[in-house]
Amino acid sequence: SQQGEEDPQALSIQEGENATMNCSYKTSINNLQWYRQNSGRGLVHLILIRSNEREKHSGRLRVTLDTSKKSSSLLITASRAADTASYFCATDLQGGSEKLVFGKGMKLTVNP
Amino acid sequence: DVKVTQSSRYLVKRTGEKVFLECVQDMDHENMFWYRQDPGLGLRLIYFSYDVKMKEKGDIPEGYSVSREKKERFSLILESASTNQTSMYLCASSFRAWYAGNTIYFGEGSWLTVV
Repeated sequence: SQQGEEDPQALSIQEGENATMNCSYKTSINNLQWYRQNSGRGLVHLILIRSNEREKHSGRLRVTLDTSKKSSSLLITASRAADTASYFCATDLQGGSEKLVFGKGMKLTVNP
Repeated sequence: DVKVTQSSRYLVKRTGEKVFLECVQDMDHENMFWYRQDPGLGLRLIYFSYDVKMKEKGDIPEGYSVSREKKERFSLILESASTNQTSMYLCASSFRAWYAGNTIYFGEGSWLTVV
């Protein structure tokens, strides 16, 4: 069952621009995470934001969470060609699930 | 660094064959997962294990089984491979959820083609 849905499904920008990706989910969560996947590789964890947090930063990444709207956004500032990848949001389910449910992913292309 | 190792990166198997996909993690994680990734469908959970010999079905368990005899190793078994099981398979592991926020660590994936 898909919980998170990323939007847009694909984004193409120029190096140096900011990239914003959105994620909407359906049910209450404990935390939301963002992952990155380079083409043909496994996923790599980027950042986790808990349900009682509204914003979190890690380097060039900024994540926001709005639990009232059941949505999150991932902002990558000053993008680089190396940021080209697919990005996934993942949520657990409030109430104790050990499992993460992933969205379908969003393809970001950063053109040099 | 956490390492999740999938034994085979690329496999080609025939319809009807029994297929084993092996995964080993080196971080003493309790949880291990098998996901399947297909274009347009994202990641779908096949099976989840939260302890040795313990398992739970995910969203798409049909046609698959799993084995977890040791904490570090989680195997995915296709009893009789079919062409619709051609996919990328991702193994992952994590600590138990609450204190770690259940960040998941992935292997590099196994590309399985069933002909």
